[in-house]
Amino acid sequence: AQKITQTQPGMFVQEKEAVTLDCTYDTSDPSYGLFWYKQPSSGEMIFLIYQGSYDQQNATEGRYSLNFQKARKSANLVISASQLGDSAMYFCAMRAFSGGYQKVTFGTGTKLQVIP
Amino acid sequence: EAQVTQNPRYLITVTGKKLTVTCSQNMNHEYMSWYRQDPGLGLRQIYYSMNVEVTDKGDVPEGYKVSRKEKRNFPLILESPSPNQTSLYFCASSFRGPTNEKLFFGSGTQLSVL
Repeated sequence: AQKITQTQPGMFVQEKEAVTLDCTYDTSDPSYGLFWYKQPSSGEMIFLIYQGSYDQQNATEGRYSLNFQKARKSANLVISASQLGDSAMYFCAMRAFSGGYQKVTFGTGTKLQVIP
Repeated sequence: EAQVTQNPRYLITVTGKKLTVTCSQNMNHEYMSWYRQDPGLGLRQIYYSMNVEVTDKGDVPEGYKVSRKEKRNFPLILESPSPNQTSLYFCASSFRGPTNEKLFFGSGTQLSVL
C-alpha cells in the first residue's frame, strides 16, 4: 500500500526566511514520482515541483527545492525567501504503480502562514 | 486553453437525491481521477481511470460511481447522497505515462448534502 505522511498540520515562517515542509512516504514499488502541490485560499491546486525515484539530483524550481532522501523515504519541500503569497496549504503526493494500476496518493497537508 | 472543467462549482442537495458532477478535459489525457478533500484528511482518491472503459477504485469508493465512455469525460455519480459525502471534490487528469506525469486539476466542486 502507498502512504504519504505530513506531520506538520500548520507552520509559521517570517517573510524572507526559508522554511521546510516535511513529507515521508512508503511504497513497495521501486519506480515512483513525488510531487508537491500548493492550494491557496482560493482553492485551486497548483503544481510546484516533481522528483523521480531514480533522479540523482534534488529537484529545484525557482524558490522551491525538494530535499530527496531516498533511504529515509523523505521528500521535504524547501521554500527559500518566503513571500506573503506563499501562505497556503501544501500537499505532498506520490504516484506509483500498485497491482498493475497507477495510483496517486496525497498527504494530509501542511498549512503555511507567512508573517510580515 | 488546456484545462479540466468541472461542473457545478457549488451544489446543495438533499439526502437520497441522485446527482452527477461532470468532469471534462481537453488535453487528450488517458488518466483521470476523482478526489475528495476534507479538513485534516487531505485529498483522498475516490476512483480513477487509466483509459476509456478502464476504471478502478481508489481509497474511498463507497457511495460513488464513475464511468469512462469517452476519453475526455469522467463523471462522478452519487446515486443516493448522504450527509457524510459533504465535501470538496476535485477531478484531475494527466497522461498515463510513467510516474512523472503531474496532475491537472479542475476548479473543484463544493458539495453539501442536507
